[in-house]
Amino acid sequence: GAVVSQHPSWVICKSGTSVKIECRSLDFQATTMFWYRQFPKQSLMLMATSNEGSKATYEQGVEKDKFLINHASLTLSTLTVTSAHPEDSSFYICSASVEGGQETQYFGPGTRLLVL
Amino acid sequence: KNEVEQSPQNLTAQEGEFITINCSYSVGISALHWLQQHPGGGIVSLFMLSSGKKKHGRLIATINIQEKHSSLHITASHPRDSAVYICAPLGTYKYIFGTGTRLKVLA
Repeated sequence: GAVVSQHPSWVICKSGTSVKIECRSLDFQATTMFWYRQFPKQSLMLMATSNEGSKATYEQGVEKDKFLINHASLTLSTLTVTSAHPEDSSFYICSASVEGGQETQYFGPGTRLLVL
Repeated sequence: KNEVEQSPQNLTAQEGEFITINCSYSVGISALHWLQQHPGGGIVSLFMLSSGKKKHGRLIATINIQEKHSSLHITASHPRDSAVYICAPLGTYKYIFGTGTRLKVLA
């Protein structure tokens, strides 16, 4: 089946630094990738949708200047948390879609971010 | 009221028991996804369905679009089934995720 990887799997950083998270589709080309955030014991919340070669579409309430998304190729999307603060500590999950629609999504293993 | 309600929120079962997790939603949908999230956080897609019933191994998922309800059944449950099960209806253009049902199967 389709495999999506994320790197790193966990990261601890100091407040004010920037953190980059990579999402890769290993055995298929993903026209669309999705970034989610999950706080403890809460449901996944969609942050943004990124299509290869175009600007990401952010959900309401998600700061696009703080969460920079780049989808430069059909197999790689990156999420950069700029000037991270403790309230950004969360579990970040990406998913990838083959056809470009939301229906068939393959989820990555997630990245746990802790900002001190 | 949440757009997606799952019940129960927590469930402890003995190995071998038949388990049912329910999901009700209030929005119109085109499909519904059942996901499994393990303690480490990784998510696995179990089913995507838009009508009727699907079966995969010991797992069965059903959906009734008119009643806006879906169920996930696990037959002959096993400790390795312990995880959080998440119902995710596909709304107009995005998924709406339930908070999940935390299942623990005891040996």
